Amino acid sequence: DTAVSQTPKYLVTQMGNDKSIKCEQNLGHDTMYWYKQDSKKFLKIMFSYNNKELIINETVPNRFSPKSPDKAHLNLHINSLELGDSAVYFCASSQSTGTGYTFGSGTRLTVV
Amino acid sequence: DAKTTQPPSMDCAEGRAANLPCNHSTISGNEYVYWYRQIHSQGPQYIIHGLKNNETNEMASLIITEDRKSSTLILPHATLRDTAVYYCIVRDGGTYKYIFGTGTRLKVLA
Repeated sequence: DTAVSQTPKYLVTQMGNDKSIKCEQNLGHDTMYWYKQDSKKFLKIMFSYNNKELIINETVPNRFSPKSPDKAHLNLHINSLELGDSAVYFCASSQSTGTGYTFGSGTRLTVV
Repeated sequence: DAKTTQPPSMDCAEGRAANLPCNHSTISGNEYVYWYRQIHSQGPQYIIHGLKNNETNEMASLIITEDRKSSTLILPHATLRDTAVYYCIVRDGGTYKYIFGTGTRLKVLA
């Protein structure tokens, strides 16, 4: 069973479109995250939710909007996509008591 | 900014121990050191973490200096499948946030 699953795995879209990436975890963790890995391979945190509550909101354009319908799901919606949004987006989850993160396999977003 | 400094790359012969150093001189008392690795473009994989005592699990050992300003990840018998980027992370005290640095690209040579 996949612990943290993201869909889709690949996403190619045109500039200006709106798209969503979904993430689900079956580990019973209470905290979920979105990270962005750009072409230079830097991993940067974007958002984090703990029990459906937003707890980390880094300096991210407001075109990016996370939504957590329950603690097992954290989706990322992106409006008006730009070329610079092209990257690999990783979802992760953890238990707030300090155990390690479990990452998904990533969604490679290409904006053309 | 990341709180850790790592060498950008290292090579290791297959079957030998790989020792990956990390400096975290500004670490505070309640901050843990975590190690992850990323194989090719897969999601980062948790390896080990520790506070001040040395730790060992089935994947690796973590040695933390007494002053906690540096640590070393040891892969006792490196294999080709251990070729990856290894990240040393100090978990931001009081938050759930990891800040990833640039990591060490380990290449295991046959």
